[in-house]
Amino acid sequence: GQQVMQIPQYQHVQEGEDFTTYCNSSTTLSNIQWYKQRPGGHPVFLIQLVKSGEVKKQKRLTFQFGEAKKNSSLHITATQTTDVGTYFCAGPAGGTSYGKLTFGQGTILTVHP
Amino acid sequence: GAVVSQHPSWVICKSGTSVKIECRSLDFQATTMFWYRQFPKQSLMLMATSNEGSKATYEQGVEKDKFLINHASLTLSTLTVTSAHPEDSSFYICSATKSVIETQYFGPGTRLLVL
Repeated sequence: GQQVMQIPQYQHVQEGEDFTTYCNSSTTLSNIQWYKQRPGGHPVFLIQLVKSGEVKKQKRLTFQFGEAKKNSSLHITATQTTDVGTYFCAGPAGGTSYGKLTFGQGTILTVHP
Repeated sequence: GAVVSQHPSWVICKSGTSVKIECRSLDFQATTMFWYRQFPKQSLMLMATSNEGSKATYEQGVEKDKFLINHASLTLSTLTVTSAHPEDSSFYICSATKSVIETQYFGPGTRLLVL
């Protein structure tokens, strides 16, 4: 079945440093979505990428979708303590899955002040 | 828009009892709702997909007789954990989507502790 792999599993950074998490799918994706889950909270939708090679920015966050639509990355510039949390990528499960998403394992980001 | 609520937010129960969790889309009609389970520091594990008026579709390994799902309307889905045991203790999260191409909007989750 489809697999979505995410690396690294954990990332510890000093406040002000940059952070990147990478997402790779075993199959081509029609779109990829990114979610953030704060400690003790629930996943919150960040963005959806649809086009091959697409790049979107949200303030200090930059999202990329690979040319082959099988990988994606999230880059945070100059991390802040408010960026702490787990970042998940997710892609449609495909077939007749009717909206199902396959989530990556997530990258847990901790930021030291 | 796209707010999803979940109730209760946490519950403690004795082993052998049943627990019902409600998931509501507050400001939109959800064509589909999903139920996830999450263990500490792990990813979201999809349990089942729920469509209004039809039987839920369960993921492999999820016991449908233990995790009963009812999707009574386009804004409400319920998950009942029957005869709960300590190993059922987890964080249960629902999500709702407006259409199959839409993103999923997550509820705040329910923390279940079975003693």
